[in-house]
Amino acid sequence: QVQLQESGPGLVKPSETLSLTCTVSGGSISSYYWSWIRQPAGKGLEWIGRIYTSGSTNYNPSLKSRVTMSVDTSKNQFSLKLSSVTAADTAVYYCARVGGNYGFGYWGQGTLVTVSS
Amino acid sequence: QSALTQPASVSGSPGQSITISCTGTSSDVGGYNYVSWYQQHPGKAPKLMIYEVSNRPSGVPDRFSGSKSGNTASLTISGLQAEDEADYYCSSYTSSSTWVFGGGTKLTVL
Repeated sequence: QVQLQESGPGLVKPSETLSLTCTVSGGSISSYYWSWIRQPAGKGLEWIGRIYTSGSTNYNPSLKSRVTMSVDTSKNQFSLKLSSVTAADTAVYYCARVGGNYGFGYWGQGTLVTVSS
Repeated sequence: QSALTQPASVSGSPGQSITISCTGTSSDVGGYNYVSWYQQHPGKAPKLMIYEVSNRPSGVPDRFSGSKSGNTASLTISGLQAEDEADYYCSSYTSSSTWVFGGGTKLTVL
């Protein structure tokens, strides 16, 4: 059974860079698309971007200028960097696997990132 | 890209059926059969309930069904049960090779 686990700092200062890693277990990271999705408290889901194991990416246009995603197949991990964060970036961040059916079939448990000084 | 439009809330009594709509554009919902639906209980990660408009992953009860007409997709839950009370989100692949979610619908089982 594929499992995903997010990790990274729970507190980031305004204007700094948010960095998160998703570790995939129970299966290979290869030959799949992987996504980051976030959810501010009490609000809906927002798709951030996706990365293929080749390194090709697509990002949400509203975040594109601040987002960088990368993948490390040797560690079965992929990562998210979001620069110049503000309080509006405070959210639970989820990593997820994109299936061939274009649905998000596997999700991490989510990690809360708070942007505050 | 704009979020897909869902009703903020719906409700129904146990045993009844409810339908949640999800309206997009020809660049997302109307253009692709890549609409999916997610159930989210408080404090939990979303769970895929429907993919490719109307397909259920293994383990999802057949009380859950999906459909699409034009730019609007729908999720129907029949034979409502107490455990169906949750937030539901639709999502669609888009012509820009991105994904967009709906704003979410809170289902209350009366």
